[in-house]
Amino acid sequence: RKEVEQDPGPFNVPEGATVAFNCTYSNSASQSFFWYRQDCRKEPKLLMSVYSSGNEDGRFTAQLNRASQYISLLIRDSKLSDSATYLCVVPLGQGGKLIFGQGTELSVKP
Amino acid sequence: GAGVSQSPRYKVTKRGQDVALRCDPISGHVSLYWYRQALGQGPEFLTYFNYEAQQDKSGLPNDRFSAERPEGSISTLTIQRTEQRDSAMYRCASSTTSGGSGANVLTFGAGSRLTVL
Repeated sequence: RKEVEQDPGPFNVPEGATVAFNCTYSNSASQSFFWYRQDCRKEPKLLMSVYSSGNEDGRFTAQLNRASQYISLLIRDSKLSDSATYLCVVPLGQGGKLIFGQGTELSVKP
Repeated sequence: GAGVSQSPRYKVTKRGQDVALRCDPISGHVSLYWYRQALGQGPEFLTYFNYEAQQDKSGLPNDRFSAERPEGSISTLTIQRTEQRDSAMYRCASSTTSGGSGANVLTFGAGSRLTVL
């Protein structure tokens, strides 16, 4: 099993739709998790951190399920500007080694 | 500096040449990371430093790759005897702490795109 796995997509959704991405991880000792957003030809940028069961920021909700070892990202009322690749990030062990998933591509259409 | 600065932004080299990629992290950031990213893939971990100490280099593909951060600030990733398969975007990131809740929040530079002919 890969350390971090994501469905690569692409997810094609209309404006206003609700879309959810999942990310599974293999290291049960991981404590904190992150979602990054990467626009085409740009560097990844932090979207949300997930330290406990979940985190909400406006239209974005991240949830953590430790028992099943996955985190999810929910985007409500999607906008054209949400079109990007969403990267799941998991630290390995107690150190700072951070592993990225391959990313899930989202395309929001008018 | 205000952000993470990487140079050169673009590097084209011939197979067999050595290349050095530079990263200047945000001032005061403790941790510095190197990643490699192929088109359509997520960043692939190469190595990271806390201050000047290399903490983990398990992601370096082979012994042609090395990295250093001698004074705990600027870092150099060196690839010796480059091969075509080394062509990729090389990304550097830094974070403010090595532990605690602020740890692991990365700020990336714009990257260095390496093309090996």
